[in-house]
Amino acid sequence: NAGVTQTPKFRILKIGQSMTLQCTQDMNHNYMYWYRQDPGMGLKLIYYSVGAGITDKGEVPNGYNVSRSTTEDFPLRLELAAPSQTSVYFCASSLAGAGNEQFFGPGTRLTVL
Amino acid sequence: AQSVSQHNHHVILSEAASLELGCNYSYGGTVNLFWYVQYPGQHLQLLLKYFSGDPLVKGIKGFEAEFIKSKFSFNLRKPSVQWSDTAEYFCAVKRNQAGTALIFGKGTTLSVSS
Repeated sequence: NAGVTQTPKFRILKIGQSMTLQCTQDMNHNYMYWYRQDPGMGLKLIYYSVGAGITDKGEVPNGYNVSRSTTEDFPLRLELAAPSQTSVYFCASSLAGAGNEQFFGPGTRLTVL
Repeated sequence: AQSVSQHNHHVILSEAASLELGCNYSYGGTVNLFWYVQYPGQHLQLLLKYFSGDPLVKGIKGFEAEFIKSKFSFNLRKPSVQWSDTAEYFCAVKRNQAGTALIFGKGTTLSVSS
């Protein structure tokens, strides 16, 4: 199993550009998540999904969109990039159920200039 | 709203010293508790977790944590740290119901000198 994979690893965007961060998992997990990690701030949840076709907002959803058309994929879309979106983005997945461990991808480091 | 507090922002230890990292959460219901570690340049990995039973849980690499319900705490411990334990440590809490996500603390950076 590859686990959770993310592409790209690094990206530099100009203000106003758009891009999609890709996330794929091969563990047949129902739940998938997107977090952003900023220095000294821990991880904050952007969006999550409990299954294909179902998504919900997390703590910091503004400026982002998601879709979940398959169990495996959970892309995160930035429509109009802003400097405040400079961060490291982590995708994670887990089995359904309250206490299940989340497995994290390697992250995407995004810089918006 | 739920929150997680990690008391120590940066801890510096010498090898063989003992470690205790504090974590408190603010939610009165049943919770699941986790400690994750992020080694330099790597993604988060689970160290240990608690959801029921013995409040003293053991994880990988000699780490353990104790859940004290009356104190809303889940402190991480290791009796003797190694240089390879240098990393960032995150405490996370999840309500014990399906469909809820992890709430993370801000993290504690541990630097171990050899």
